[in-house]
Amino acid sequence: EAQVTQNPRYLITVTGKKLTVTCSQNMNHEYMSWYRQDPGLGLRQIYYSMNVEVTDKGDVPEGYKVSRKEKRNFPLILESPSPNQTSLYFCASSLSQGERTYEQYFGPGTRLTVT
Amino acid sequence: AQKITQTQPGMFVQEKEAVTLDCTYDTSDQSYGLFWYKQPSSGEMIFLIYQGSYDEQNATEGRYSLNFQKARKSANLVISASQLGDSAMYFCAMMSAGYALNFGKGTSLLVTP
Repeated sequence: EAQVTQNPRYLITVTGKKLTVTCSQNMNHEYMSWYRQDPGLGLRQIYYSMNVEVTDKGDVPEGYKVSRKEKRNFPLILESPSPNQTSLYFCASSLSQGERTYEQYFGPGTRLTVT
Repeated sequence: AQKITQTQPGMFVQEKEAVTLDCTYDTSDQSYGLFWYKQPSSGEMIFLIYQGSYDEQNATEGRYSLNFQKARKSANLVISASQLGDSAMYFCAMMSAGYALNFGKGTSLLVTP
């Protein structure tokens, strides 16, 4: 089954404790991306990656790191989480061919609470 | 910077009627793609429909159609014959040459019997 998986689905942590949210897709998609969703703000892009070893900042990259060492994986790293990073996080992937843009397939979401 | 505006925070529609959800966008790029996603209360993001900036015809997918007016920079979603299961948040999004994807703040749709 074609899908994007995220782990963990729920996480409660404390300020300053490094954490990683994993994202994996089995569709051989070039493009992967991370978003955070907050009430009243919609979804905002954190980082995206056009392909292996290529990453770019989205609208809200501060406090986050990403890496794309393999095509299928795109982990989101919070080196020192703070309470303002409490949010619902989505990973997504899509094809990317030239200028044509394709729909993104979303993971199930990770609800993170930082106390 | 790209911007997506959804001016309707909440909408009501009666079952079996059609409803239009508004979306306007702002970009200076010539090539871009417009998307609509549905987010039910369970939280997952479901792709509904796509419109490319160079597409001559309005996109349609079953009961969903996209009313694309390029000169007005609008990409409204039309849902025909609404069903109770259509109650959800709906997000308009745009991706342009920079490959960043920008979302609007969403419209909450409630379908009533």
